[in-house]
Amino acid sequence: DTAVSQTPKYLVTQMGNDKSIKCEQNLGHDTMYWYKQDSKKFLKIMFSYNNKELIINETVPNRFSPKSPDKAHLNLHINSLELGDSAVYFCASSQASSGDEQFFGPGTRLTVL
Amino acid sequence: AQSVTQLGSHVSVSEGALVLLRCNYSSSVPPYLFWYVQYPNQGLQLLLKYTSAATLVKGINDFEAEFKKSETSFHLTKPSAHMSDAAEYFCAVQNTGFQKLVFGTGTRLLVSP
Repeated sequence: DTAVSQTPKYLVTQMGNDKSIKCEQNLGHDTMYWYKQDSKKFLKIMFSYNNKELIINETVPNRFSPKSPDKAHLNLHINSLELGDSAVYFCASSQASSGDEQFFGPGTRLTVL
Repeated sequence: AQSVTQLGSHVSVSEGALVLLRCNYSSSVPPYLFWYVQYPNQGLQLLLKYTSAATLVKGINDFEAEFKKSETSFHLTKPSAHMSDAAEYFCAVQNTGFQKLVFGTGTRLLVSP
């Protein structure tokens, strides 16, 4: 049983296209996150949702729009893709309390050509 | 603002040798601290975490870390390296009341026979 799953695992697309990445967790957690890992392996928070409500929105271009249809799902839609969006995007989930472990998905490697 | 510094982007050890990966944090309040491991093409897996209980924290696979408030450090150690420990290791900080993880830049551990 996969705790946090993401689809697709790989995504190759052209500049200017719009794409979505889906994330699902079956851990019953209240909070879900999107992190971006760049080519130098640096990881940075993008968004966080708690019970379908946005609670963290870092300085991310508004071409990125997260959507949480229910607390088990958090999707990431990216408009007008740019070369600099190429990265690995990780979804994670945790209980609502600070100090709780965040469980990470396997990542989606996005390549923008 | 909280931040994490990991000294050494690469650390090389021989199999059976001591592993020491360094992490220093900057935080205005006592934080929660985490070590995650990332194997190639995989997501992040929690090794251990500090949440203000014991200052010496034991994790999986014989890893441990000691929280030293006076030195603002949370170094990761393992007495004897295995080939399977070769991976990228991330230290992360989380302040109480906030749920986002702020990651260090990562340290790649290389283990030679």
